Amino acid sequence: GAVVSQHPSRVICKSGTSVKIECRSLDFQATTMFWYRQFPKQSLMLMATSNEGSKATYEQGVEKDKFLINHASLTLSTLTVTSAHPEDSSFYICSARYQGPQETQYFGPGTRLLVL
Amino acid sequence: AQSVTQPDIHITVSEGASLELRCNYSYGATPYLFWYVQSPGQGLQLLLKYFSGDTLVQGIKGFEAEFKRSQSSFNLRKPSVHWSDAAEYFCAVVEGGTDKLIFGTGTRLQVFP
Repeated sequence: GAVVSQHPSRVICKSGTSVKIECRSLDFQATTMFWYRQFPKQSLMLMATSNEGSKATYEQGVEKDKFLINHASLTLSTLTVTSAHPEDSSFYICSARYQGPQETQYFGPGTRLLVL
Repeated sequence: AQSVTQPDIHITVSEGASLELRCNYSYGATPYLFWYVQSPGQGLQLLLKYFSGDTLVQGIKGFEAEFKRSQSSFNLRKPSVHWSDAAEYFCAVVEGGTDKLIFGTGTRLQVFP
């Protein structure tokens, strides 16, 4: 149980285009999902917290207008990188919080974004 | 603010040898602690977690971790490492009052045959 999927797993796009990444909790409902960014050989950096039915909460330094987050249902959150530039190239990972006796975040497999 | 320290950036062990990965945290109250493993190009897989109770926690893949309040540590151990254990290991703590995970910088484990 507690499986989280991400789509696509890898995407290459041209500079200036927008890219949407989906995060789904497959076997549980997640009122809260998280989006992280990971640079090569570094730890995860939290970008934003996504709450179902409300606006996302962004971490300091993360541009809201550039990284649009939508959490329209209890099993789906999307991250849209708008007007992508080469510096946005990175590994993006989502997680979904499983609400039970011991709340735990379960992570998706990640999306590798390359902006040319 | 809470923080997590993983002192070892890179560890190399021989297959079959024992393993201990160190994790220290700073948090006033009883923390919620986690160990995750990440294979290259993959997401994170939960190995084990500590919320309360028995301070020795058993996880998947033969891993265990011990919570030591006096040392503010939550070290990960495995008695006999397999080549497939080569990966990046992250220790994390839930930030008090929120549901955010604070990650350590990670320890890269390399296993030699």
